[in-house]
Amino acid sequence: AQSVTQLGSHVSVSEGALVLLRCNYSSSVPPYLFWYVQYPNQGLQLLLKYTTGATLVKGINGFEAEFKKSETSFHLTKPSAHMSDAAEYFCAVSRLNTGGFKTIFGAGTRLFVKA
Amino acid sequence: DGGITQSPKYLFRKEGQNVTLSCEQNLNHDAMYWYRQDPGQGLRLIYYSQIVNDFQKGDIAEGYSVSREKKESFPLTVTSAQKNPTAFYLCASSMGGQETQYFGPGTRLLVL
Repeated sequence: AQSVTQLGSHVSVSEGALVLLRCNYSSSVPPYLFWYVQYPNQGLQLLLKYTTGATLVKGINGFEAEFKKSETSFHLTKPSAHMSDAAEYFCAVSRLNTGGFKTIFGAGTRLFVKA
Repeated sequence: DGGITQSPKYLFRKEGQNVTLSCEQNLNHDAMYWYRQDPGQGLRLIYYSQIVNDFQKGDIAEGYSVSREKKESFPLTVTSAQKNPTAFYLCASSMGGQETQYFGPGTRLLVL
């Protein structure tokens, strides 16, 4: 069965520090991989996605993620955190299943940014 | 402006009452989805539809019903059979099942 694991339900960093949010997936075939961000009381919006090709993917707001097949990981990073990055982040995996493509979301990681 | 809208923003349900959450999109997307979000549990799929007049159950469909009579609309009914309906409900749409999902702003359902 396909699953997505986000390590750490809460991550706290200081403003200007590196942001690292971890995501591991289980899939027998290369999946489509996504990171979404959710601000309080809002829907999710796409940060970045990996389909095929270059394994380092750049997204909006200075975020990037690297697909590592050998580690089945798709960790999200940003070199320097900003106060406005405080939000909840969801990793998601989509792959072909019986009945069509299915997307599985991780449980989410809430990012806190300290001044 | 293309997008996906949900209404109402807040909804209150009384015991034994059915309530309907609205979801409309003008993105010309074929696929639409309903998710339930509870604190610390991420998103759980309730129902999804890949084409008009067709929909499939997700992981937690019990106590919910949907219809897809128009491409633009995918309303969700929370029936009285759903004993714990308090949650944040998110609607999404995409071009296809593997594509990026675009989310509405959500509806928060509370039980009186």
